[in-house]
Amino acid sequence: DVKVTQSSRYLVKRTGEKVFLECVQDMDHENMFWYRQDPGLGLRLIYFSYDVKMKEKGDIPEGYSVSREKKERFSLILESASTNQTSMYLCASILAGSPYNEQFFGPGTRLTVL
Amino acid sequence: AQSVTQLGSHVSVSEGALVLLRCNYSSSVPPYLFWYVQYPNQGLQLLLKYTTGATLVKGINGFEAEFKKSETSFHLTKPSAHMSDAAEYFCAVGRQGAQKLVFGQGTRLTINP
Repeated sequence: DVKVTQSSRYLVKRTGEKVFLECVQDMDHENMFWYRQDPGLGLRLIYFSYDVKMKEKGDIPEGYSVSREKKERFSLILESASTNQTSMYLCASILAGSPYNEQFFGPGTRLTVL
Repeated sequence: AQSVTQLGSHVSVSEGALVLLRCNYSSSVPPYLFWYVQYPNQGLQLLLKYTTGATLVKGINGFEAEFKKSETSFHLTKPSAHMSDAAEYFCAVGRQGAQKLVFGQGTRLTINP
């Protein structure tokens, strides 16, 4: 059974804290994504990684950075958390190659910044 | 650039009734289209996808969608709703030359007993 796991389901942090969200996939996928999900806005792409140490900005990268030191692990970093980063964060992975391939999603991390 | 519009943020139907969730897309190239479903407290999972060929696509759990190029639509249907269909549904279109997707705003489906 293929799996994408995220380190926390719920997280509460304070404004200004540095926050790490971790994602691990066991499918040997080359490509991984971080999205944020907000009501009425759907999913918006934050960052995309197409290989170890390779990354590409998505549509809303401001306030975020990422790290991919190993193929199976993709981390999202909030350098200084702000209240407007309160959201649901979803990680996904996909086998490189065809654009028709399915993205596999983790269960999400609901982050609250106070 | 690609974009997706889902008509109706909330849809409510009775158990056993037809489910129709609307999706319109904009794409400057032949699109590839997806429907994903998100059950409560879970990530998204693929329902079905349109690539090329047959315009009526069948997916899991009895859902299907029809690609209509002339209407730039990819509406999702199910003949008879079940309580377990209650979820949020996302339509997505592929971005040109990449595996990245553009997602719609989502439609929350409620099933009334």
